[in-house]
Amino acid sequence: RKEVEQDPGPFNVPEGATVAFNCTYSNSASQSFFWYRQDCRKEPKLLMSVYSSGNEDGRFTAQLNRASQYISLLIRDSKLSDSATYLCVVNPILTGGGNKLTFGTGTQLKVEL
Amino acid sequence: EAQVTQNPRYLITVTGKKLTVTCSQNMNHEYMSWYRQDPGLGLRQIYYSMNVEVTDKGDVPEGYKVSRKEKRNFPLILESPSPNQTSLYFCASSPRDRTNTEAFFGQGTRLTVV
Repeated sequence: RKEVEQDPGPFNVPEGATVAFNCTYSNSASQSFFWYRQDCRKEPKLLMSVYSSGNEDGRFTAQLNRASQYISLLIRDSKLSDSATYLCVVNPILTGGGNKLTFGTGTQLKVEL
Repeated sequence: EAQVTQNPRYLITVTGKKLTVTCSQNMNHEYMSWYRQDPGLGLRQIYYSMNVEVTDKGDVPEGYKVSRKEKRNFPLILESPSPNQTSLYFCASSPRDRTNTEAFFGQGTRLTVV
């Protein structure tokens, strides 16, 4: 079983739609969770961190369910510019600090007119 | 401007010819790492470093070496490249912190080994 699993998509949605991605992780000791965005083989960039209480940033909402070990990302009112690959990222926290980010393979989103 | 800089951005080389991909960050981050990205496999960590002179293997270290002589630099060395090392490589840095911290990535190096 992969440490972090995502549906690869692609998700093709019309502009204005609401779309949700899920991600599951296998390491129950994982402490930090993130969604990164990657455009067309460019470098990944942090979209948002994911907190236990859930968090929202504009049209984006992230949720964490520790009991079921899954993370979700909801995008409301999709824009053409949201087209990208969304990477679910988990960090188990190394002894002594530092990030050992474990990436899912990404979910591709295509927003169409 | 805070950034992670990788060089070269594109490289085509032949099997067995040693090469080095440089990575430099100007954010005074303690933690640096190298990833490779392949279709269907996502980003996989090759090596990481928690500080100067401290390096450790990631998930796919075979065929690679790294060094961390200075805080800002973390070069990736392929002593004898092989075609299965054809990939997109990313260097990343982040501060040493136990809480949620963002990792900053370089722009990537697309390596082709023929």
